Amino acid sequence: GIQVEQSPPDLILQEGANSTLRCNFSDSVNNLQWFHQNPWGQLINLFYIPSGTKQNGRLSATTVATERYSLLYISSSQTTDSGVYFCAAYSGGSNYKLTFGKGTLLTVNP
Amino acid sequence: GAGVSQTPSNKVTEKGKYVELRCDPISGHTALYWYRQSLGQGPEFLIYFQGTGAADDSGLPNDRFFAVRPEGSVSTLKIQRTERGDSAVYLCASSPQLAGANEQFFGPGTRLTVL
Repeated sequence: GIQVEQSPPDLILQEGANSTLRCNFSDSVNNLQWFHQNPWGQLINLFYIPSGTKQNGRLSATTVATERYSLLYISSSQTTDSGVYFCAAYSGGSNYKLTFGKGTLLTVNP
Repeated sequence: GAGVSQTPSNKVTEKGKYVELRCDPISGHTALYWYRQSLGQGPEFLIYFQGTGAADDSGLPNDRFFAVRPEGSVSTLKIQRTERGDSAVYLCASSPQLAGANEQFFGPGTRLTVL
């Protein structure tokens, strides 16, 4: 099945800084999602982005499907951005299951 | 509108006991998934329903695990003879499952602790 790798595993920022999180995947994708897992464990949908670029406020994401990677950009980070960011991909088959990376733990300090 | 809901939010049980975890998907979503998340890891797929039938249960770890969705809406994940290794957060997701892959939306999870 598809392999999903995220980098960096950990990231510490000062409030106001910008960051880029990367997701590499081993096969072509039909679904690529970015999630933020908050301290209570809830997975919050950030982007559904199998290809192209999307923006939502301070966050944006780009997926280059032909080169098998996706990037999540966080600008002007806030302490509330802290948490684990997951990338998850579906590459084909009849079950539509998402395969998750191990996540990036982001800590934003005041 | 209401998101995916799961009950209970926490479940503590003793080794060997039987547990049921419930998932209420977003209204109108025909596809429902169960995932399991261990500490420090990403969620891992367990089972996928399209309507009432389990279309793919290849992620269930063994025959102690079973899930149903009798009316094509609410689903129950059942674990028999629980073991300490079953301790994890169990997540449910749903999607509209129009043609092709669709965005999945997750519930808050049930944290299962087996003593």
